[in-house]
Amino acid sequence: GQSLEQPSEVTAVEGAIVQINCTYQTSGFYGLSWYQQHDGGAPTFLSYNALDGLEETGRFSSFLSRSDSYGYLLLQELQMKDSASYFCAVNKAGTALIFGKGTTLSVSS
Amino acid sequence: ETGVTQSPTHLIKTRGQQVTLRCSSQSGHNTVSWYQQALGQGPQFIFQYYREEENGRGNFPPRFSGLQFPNYSSELNVNALELDDSALYLCASSPASSGGGRTGELFFGEGSRLTVL
Repeated sequence: GQSLEQPSEVTAVEGAIVQINCTYQTSGFYGLSWYQQHDGGAPTFLSYNALDGLEETGRFSSFLSRSDSYGYLLLQELQMKDSASYFCAVNKAGTALIFGKGTTLSVSS
Repeated sequence: ETGVTQSPTHLIKTRGQQVTLRCSSQSGHNTVSWYQQALGQGPQFIFQYYREEENGRGNFPPRFSGLQFPNYSSELNVNALELDDSALYLCASSPASSGGGRTGELFFGEGSRLTVL
């Protein structure tokens, strides 16, 4: 089978840095994506790693290591508005996304 | 540029009924996929359409079916509704230039929340 594991919850304070890990058991995928979803709204794309290494997009960075079957999303300078659910996902055969169960991030002041 | 729109936003059905959910893809996108998201879970892939043909399907029974129209809009039909079908149904589109999501970036609508009683 194929699965992606993420921590269910993470808490942090404003201004802090938080890392959300994603480990997976699948092969033959094109890359690892990260999505943000506020309160059951539309998931929005954050970042994508096709190759091993770090991708940086503003306050968000994402990392992939295929040899370790591992990736993470790093959120810096946390803001209250970053409180949301974060999902890692792999895309296979350039079509479907297979999502993890998500990590709920709570940012407090 | 208009984003992905879905209708209806909320609906309530009873067991055994049938439901049709609709999705208009973002302008310029010819690939549409549907996902089911139960409360507290990640979205689960139902199926994908490219140029009016289904070209990928997840682990969902045949009572989940779909269509894509020449304007790339799409429908999700669910027959013989069960209580476990209660969920947020998300539609996502992507442009052909991205290989139908090959870049990992899909554009999601706000979803249709279905409650089955």
